[in-house]
Amino acid sequence: QVQLVESGGGVVQPGSSLRLSCAASGFTFSRNAMHWVRQAPGKGLEWVAVISYDGSNKYYADSVKGRFTISRDNSKNTLYLEMNSLRAEDTALYYCARDAPGGVGTFDIWGQGTMVTVSS
Amino acid sequence: DIVMTQTPLSSPVTLGQPASISCRSSQSLVHSDGNAYLSWLQQRPGQPPRLLIYKSSNRFSGVPDRFSGSGAGTDFTLKISRVEAEDVGVYYCMQATQFPHTFGQGTKLEIK
Repeated sequence: QVQLVESGGGVVQPGSSLRLSCAASGFTFSRNAMHWVRQAPGKGLEWVAVISYDGSNKYYADSVKGRFTISRDNSKNTLYLEMNSLRAEDTALYYCARDAPGGVGTFDIWGQGTMVTVSS
Repeated sequence: DIVMTQTPLSSPVTLGQPASISCRSSQSLVHSDGNAYLSWLQQRPGQPPRLLIYKSSNRFSGVPDRFSGSGAGTDFTLKISRVEAEDVGVYYCMQATQFPHTFGQGTKLEIK
């Protein structure tokens, strides 16, 4: 079935780096734009970044611009989020989400999320 | 950035009664292609968000028809015609007309 599975979260110190992965299955991954969305504990949703279906276009939230990099490997059906210079305020559950075919920001499929905790 | 403001932030509702959530954007959500890219998502406790409505009024596949979306420009509404127990959770509006995409604060729907 159509599925997204995130991994790579953990507990890290401020200033550290971490790479999240999102494995896609059940659909043609290379046809869809993909997003990262995060949710701090007990808080609302925050859009983080998007990458186009072929990786040629990327956009970021101001809060992560210059520190986070979104990428994808269509041969491996996998989305990535490289996170550098992590801060306490980056602590959150990170979801990957699929942009629906032909949709603009229509997040039709979500993973279960991977938790990132930034703490000394 | 476009600011999304939801009201109310909490909504106690009696089972079987209707519920309504409002979402207002700080700028028009009409895209250059004429569409308003406003979605509604539901997040049940302990679960990831789930798409309910896209492009303001289109119900996503598998979503019960008691959910409906309406609105244009800067004012949008999610309505639940008869609330059921499984509808408990937090509801978010989200705009994707412009980057960065932005979410409303969320509205917590609970049963009275």
